[in-house]
Amino acid sequence: DVVMTQTPLSLSVSPGQPASISCKSSESLFYTDGKTYLYWFLKRPGQSPQLLISEADKRVPGVPGRFTGTGGGHYFTLTISAVEPGDSGVYYCMQGIDLYTFGQGTRLEI
Amino acid sequence: QVQLVESGGGLVKPGGSLTLSCVASGLSLSESYVSWIRQTSTKGLEWVAYISESGNGNEIYYADPVKGRFTISRDDRHNSVSLQMTSLRAEDSAVYYCARGVGFYDWGQGTPVTVSS
Repeated sequence: DVVMTQTPLSLSVSPGQPASISCKSSESLFYTDGKTYLYWFLKRPGQSPQLLISEADKRVPGVPGRFTGTGGGHYFTLTISAVEPGDSGVYYCMQGIDLYTFGQGTRLEI
Repeated sequence: QVQLVESGGGLVKPGGSLTLSCVASGLSLSESYVSWIRQTSTKGLEWVAYISESGNGNEIYYADPVKGRFTISRDDRHNSVSLQMTSLRAEDSAVYYCARGVGFYDWGQGTPVTVSS
């Protein structure tokens, strides 16, 4: 099974400051089709999870440009360039190369 | 506009059964991968099961904790996907979401399941 490890597990950031979350996979998420099966989600309280980034670095339409996904192979990062109050919630990375596994989640407090 | 709506959650005793339904509007679910994912406050998000598109042979996979107890199926006539849950345990208590696409692009609002005596 592919294990996903996120760090940190919680983060407190002031509005306008950057935030960064790391995600490490126990196996490479780069597949032979040329795609990297790593996704980032945001779960706000009382709302359904929302896909932010697909295939490691592809921002989903409608997601603000301050969210950036980088990385490859085993190591990935989600960066928010300048956090806003609405960015509070729990962020999850997820692998999709061998069924699906989520990371533990990172709670972001603004 | 794509909308997924789950229903069927509720309170059930350990060992009992429940069937969840995910109905779509704005798209044909038969042309989509559909997954069930659950969320608890202690474990976070956990993928439960998926079914591939009807045209892709309806491949089905389950997470190990639910294998042999849960069954995912689709009803193309009603544009829906169901999750039959049997032999329920306390640790199955969660909010259950359906999501569409390989990368879970669209989610429903969730339906809560509580397994308790």
